[in-house]
Amino acid sequence: AQSVSQHNHHVILSEAASLELGCNYSYGGTVNLFWYVQYPGQHLQLLLKYFSGDPLVKGIKGFEAEFIKSKFSFNLRKPSVQWSDTAEYFCAVIPYSSASKIIFGSGTRLSIRP
Amino acid sequence: SQTIHQWPATLVQPVGSPLSLECTVEGTSNPNLYWYRQAAGRGLQLLFYSVGIGQISSEVPQNLSASRPQDRQFILSSKKLLLSDSGFYLCAWTRDRGESGELFFGEGSRLTVL
Repeated sequence: AQSVSQHNHHVILSEAASLELGCNYSYGGTVNLFWYVQYPGQHLQLLLKYFSGDPLVKGIKGFEAEFIKSKFSFNLRKPSVQWSDTAEYFCAVIPYSSASKIIFGSGTRLSIRP
Repeated sequence: SQTIHQWPATLVQPVGSPLSLECTVEGTSNPNLYWYRQAAGRGLQLLFYSVGIGQISSEVPQNLSASRPQDRQFILSSKKLLLSDSGFYLCAWTRDRGESGELFFGEGSRLTVL
């Protein structure tokens, strides 16, 4: 079945460590890709998005993501995490074959040790 | 500015009882509207989405239904609740027909079925 996969369910890092969260999707053709973040007690908010062009996109708070079409991946990265990055991170996809449908992955909980 | 209202915030219902969750959006017209269910470890599951009045797309077979009687109103319903319907339900909307992919979420409704 077509889906969005986030294989890391819970990631624990120390402050200043580098972060990479994986996201893979199984939709063929053109897709729009997103990362959302949900801080404790808050709504989900958009972190960054990719539609076309440069496959390396930069978002808020020092996050970036790289679209690798051949791997159907859109991994999220941050060179040096902070305690305030503790949150749940969700990858999302709009498959162009089903425009308007926004599919989320299962999320990755990130815990940062101070 | 645009706002989204979702109610009730909390609901405790017996098995077999009906359900109605309501969502309204203000400050925009012709939005795409979405119902998601959020469960720990399972991310956001897309239940229904709508691109216009009376137009409902269902994503998963289940005990729930959705309706869009007005442009900015989206209702999630059930005739007879099951225990498995318990969860946290989120309404969301996008502008520009969803092409930007940026979802704006309501406060959520926590449903407990006993």
